[in-house]
Amino acid sequence: ELKVEQNPLFLSMQEGKNYTIYCNYSTTSDRLYWYRQDPGKSLESLFVLLSNGAVKQEGRLMASLDTKARLSTLHITAAVHDLSATYFCAVDISNQFYFGTGTSLTVIP
Amino acid sequence: GAGVSQSPSNKVTEKGKDVELRCDPISGHTALYWYRQSLGQGLEFLIYFQGNSAPDKSGLPSDRFSAERTGGSVSTLTIQRTQQEDSAVYLCASSRSTGTYEQYFGPGTRLTVT
Repeated sequence: ELKVEQNPLFLSMQEGKNYTIYCNYSTTSDRLYWYRQDPGKSLESLFVLLSNGAVKQEGRLMASLDTKARLSTLHITAAVHDLSATYFCAVDISNQFYFGTGTSLTVIP
Repeated sequence: GAGVSQSPSNKVTEKGKDVELRCDPISGHTALYWYRQSLGQGLEFLIYFQGNSAPDKSGLPSDRFSAERTGGSVSTLTIQRTQQEDSAVYLCASSRSTGTYEQYFGPGTRLTVT
């Protein structure tokens, strides 16, 4: 059974600090996605990572993929309050998407 | 252009009734996905359609669930004989194709089975 694990599940961080969210998965895949979900809202696509070593950056967020380690990271630089949300990673296996449990991020002033 | 739309936004139904949930994908998007999000199970993949090909139904939780996509565009997810455990938010997403393209999600339908 495929497992997609994120940690931490909950993250409270101060504005201006850096932190990394980890996404581990249990089977081979070279397609990994990151999404953001605000409370009461739907999902918003953040990054699509399609190969080993892929790195993408958008603003204060940077995502990377290591397919050999079956690990993706989402790095937050100099957090701001607007980044408070729940972040999900998802692994694509033959067009079926398996989601992690989500990381609930709260950025404190 | 317009995003993915879903209707209804909220649905309350009695246990045992059938419900239909609708998804209008972004025009030109050939791939369409249905997901379910609940507190107990997190985000679950249900089914996806690629163009006019037969859908991959392997994620549907039981035979009470079915989905169709007419003309490669609008999709309907039907749940027969609803149970309380079907209560969840049902999300639809579309993308230009499968695989390498990002998905655009609709606002979801919140289903409550009483």
